Amino acid sequence: DVKVTQSSRYLVKRTGEKVFLECVQDMDHENMFWYRQDPGLGLRLIYFSYDVKMKEKGDIPEGYSVSREKKERFSLILESASTNQTSMYLCASSLGALGGNIQYFGAGTRLSVL
Amino acid sequence: AQSVTQLDSQVPVFEEAPVELRCNYSSSVSVYLFWYVQYPNQGLQLLLKYLSGSTLVESINGFEAEFNKSQTSFHLRKPSVHISDTAEYFCAVSGPYNQGGKLIFGQGTELSVKP
Repeated sequence: DVKVTQSSRYLVKRTGEKVFLECVQDMDHENMFWYRQDPGLGLRLIYFSYDVKMKEKGDIPEGYSVSREKKERFSLILESASTNQTSMYLCASSLGALGGNIQYFGAGTRLSVL
Repeated sequence: AQSVTQLDSQVPVFEEAPVELRCNYSSSVSVYLFWYVQYPNQGLQLLLKYLSGSTLVESINGFEAEFNKSQTSFHLRKPSVHISDTAEYFCAVSGPYNQGGKLIFGQGTELSVKP
């Protein structure tokens, strides 16, 4: 089974802090994704990566950055956390078109910024 | 551009009743279609998918969805729901040419099964 592991289930941070959300997958997938999930808005793509050191902006990249130094790990960084970044963050990985674009998700990190 | 519309944000239903969760999509190219399920405090799990071939696809727990190209729909159905089906359901669209295998998600439908 594909396993996507997010390092924290719950995080509480203060406004202005630098926050790192970590995601690791064990299936040698090329593609990895970060979403945020808010009630009534569904999943919105923040950033994705289709190879090591490669990244592309999604629909809502403002206030976020990412890092992919190794194939299995994709990090989401909030440079200076703000209260409007309180949300559920979901990481996913995918083999891409060869795998029918099926994405496999981690359990999520619920971030509260106070 | 691709987009997905889930027509109902909440669907309450009694146990053992049938249910349909509606999903319409727009795309100018060939599509892959997905339903994902999210149980409380968990990530998303793939429920079923349409990539090609038969337009009727089924999951192991009794859900089915039919790809209707003329109506650009991919509605999810179950003839008899259980309490354990209570969850949020997301419809998503993608395609063989989507950069990085991106999925476009609908806004989700909360299915609430009552005894």
